[in-house]
Amino acid sequence: NAGVMQNPRHLVRRRGQEARLRCSPVKGHSHVYWYRQLPEEGLKFMVYLQKENIIDESGMPKERFSAEFPKEGPSILRIQQVVRGDSAAYFCASSPISGTYGYTFGSGTRLTVV
Amino acid sequence: DAKTTQPNSMESNEEEPVHLPCNHSTISGTDYIHWYRQLPSQGPEYVIHGLTSNVNNRMASLAIAEDRKSSTLILHRATLRDAAVYYCILSNFGNEKLTFGTGTRLTIIP
Repeated sequence: NAGVMQNPRHLVRRRGQEARLRCSPVKGHSHVYWYRQLPEEGLKFMVYLQKENIIDESGMPKERFSAEFPKEGPSILRIQQVVRGDSAAYFCASSPISGTYGYTFGSGTRLTVV
Repeated sequence: DAKTTQPNSMESNEEEPVHLPCNHSTISGTDYIHWYRQLPSQGPEYVIHGLTSNVNNRMASLAIAEDRKSSTLILHRATLRDAAVYYCILSNFGNEKLTFGTGTRLTIIP
């Protein structure tokens, strides 16, 4: 019974390139959440998605960042024209219905912008 | 979002119980109390959650004060693998995002 799978585990991008982070939720989970953790800080909520719908994107930067959770396939967090300040660990979590009953987190993608 | 307050760090000896406190004086009647922990270089891991009554699972126990303004996560017998940052978080239906504070960094002394 696989947990939340995130790939890649580590991603290095040059400034100005695009970063694509993938998240496959626990089988049967239809709710996906993305969080970002800057070095030595707590996790910050970015976006909450259900299949084909963005439910809450209040934590997403207004520019360069987008997220999707298509009917088929993993959820994707896309960062265009990356800058050094985007370097962080990005975690995905999933839940079957409401997260009030607990979320399952992935191991994260560590993005380094050089 | 209702706020939680935790000590920055705690130490405990291996194989002894650990009591991790959390204050949440502005908790609302519909807020659930969640605990997650984050091991080094890992994503957060769900530990336990509760609403009003004390809760037990295979990982830990959660003791909730009668007025719900505080709670305590209890690890009954700490091991080195319990060394992590422990987060106490309030969450309720209709507000799906978790607000992580700085948590308590637990060090286990062999």
